[in-house]
Amino acid sequence: DVKVTQSSRYLVKRTGEKVFLECVQDMDHENMFWYRQDPGLGLRLIYFSYDVKMKEKGDIPEGYSVSREKKERFSLILESASTNQTSMYLCASSRPWIGQPQHFGDGTRLSIL
Amino acid sequence: AQTVTQSQPEMSVQEAETVTLSCTYDTSENNYYLFWYKQPPSRQMILVIRQEAYKQQNATENRFSVNFQKAAKSFSLKISDSQLGDTAMYFCAFMKPPNAGNNRKLIWGLGTSLAVNP
Repeated sequence: DVKVTQSSRYLVKRTGEKVFLECVQDMDHENMFWYRQDPGLGLRLIYFSYDVKMKEKGDIPEGYSVSREKKERFSLILESASTNQTSMYLCASSRPWIGQPQHFGDGTRLSIL
Repeated sequence: AQTVTQSQPEMSVQEAETVTLSCTYDTSENNYYLFWYKQPPSRQMILVIRQEAYKQQNATENRFSVNFQKAAKSFSLKISDSQLGDTAMYFCAFMKPPNAGNNRKLIWGLGTSLAVNP
């Protein structure tokens, strides 16, 4: 089975801090994704990556950046955390071929105080 | 732009009964993929079922089946013999072939919260 591991299940940070959310997958997937999930807004794509060092903006990239130095690891960075970034963050990975499903981690519930 | 609509924010069903969750989408594409995902409370999002648009046969996975109506752009999920463990948020998602590059984004509905009652 595909295993997508997010480094923290719960995280509390302060406004203005630089925050790193880590995601590792063990199935050699080319594609990796970061979403945020908010009640009533569903899943919104922040960034995705289709190869090492390659990234593309999703629908809501403002205030975030990403890093993919190794194929198995995709990091989401909040450069200067703000309270409106309090949310559930989901990482996913998939094969590159058309129609392949995404596999998700358990999520990180991030609170910015 | 493609959109996915789940018109039922919340639903409930009695254990052992059948329930159908609706999903409609809007696209001008002919070849695409549709997915249903399940997210139990405080647990991981998992794939329930996948449908390829060029296949007329409805996908089935054990107690889960879909009613795919391509002309109507409808992709409903039927859960038979509902179990307490089916209590979850259910998301419908759409994937189109990329125009260029390795683009495998999903377009998501807002979800339906299903409660299975004992």
